Amino acid sequence: QQQVKQSPQSLIVQKGGISIINCAYENTAFDYFPWYQQFPGKGPALLIAIRPDVSEKKEGRFTISFNKSAKQFSLHIMDSQPGDSATYFCAASISFQKLVFGTGTRLLVSP
Amino acid sequence: DGGITQSPKYLFRKEGQNVTLSCEQNLNHDAMYWYRQDPGQGLRLIYYSQIVNDFQKGDIAEGYSVSREKKESFPLTVTSAQKNPTAFYLCASSRGGEQFFGPGTRLTVL
Repeated sequence: QQQVKQSPQSLIVQKGGISIINCAYENTAFDYFPWYQQFPGKGPALLIAIRPDVSEKKEGRFTISFNKSAKQFSLHIMDSQPGDSATYFCAASISFQKLVFGTGTRLLVSP
Repeated sequence: DGGITQSPKYLFRKEGQNVTLSCEQNLNHDAMYWYRQDPGQGLRLIYYSQIVNDFQKGDIAEGYSVSREKKESFPLTVTSAQKNPTAFYLCASSRGGEQFFGPGTRLTVL
């Protein structure tokens, strides 16, 4: 019940396209859902996060969509760029305590 | 410059040896965390500490030990009891919200 399931494992998108990564969870006590971006050999960095009281949050080209009833949330990257090529992790926590991470999605944006 | 530093960036160890990974933060964060990252498995929590002189086991604590004697420091020791220690180790800190990660230490057991 503590798991967060992430898909797809890898994704190839053309420059200018939309990248979509999905996550699902079981524990309804989760109340904080961040997305992290990680470049090779570096630590993850927070990209965007959402609380369950809103269904969507947008920051620049990055949008989180949240479906509380389905226990799913997704990351949309609009106008994907080669510089977006990285590994993306979704995560969830209860009251900002320890994070439970998805297994990651390796995104490649082709020029 | 505020942030989290981890040292060394690369570490090589012979089988049977203990090794200690350093993690220091100057963000004045109360909580600190250690994660292990393996290809295709995401980040798995090893140990975490909410306050000085207190820490809890995460999901994969066997073969690891930690201490939290100072707010700024949370070193991780990988003991010889850890069967598969080769991995990328990440330290993080937080203060009631976003977790900030260090640059990581890649440990290779020879």
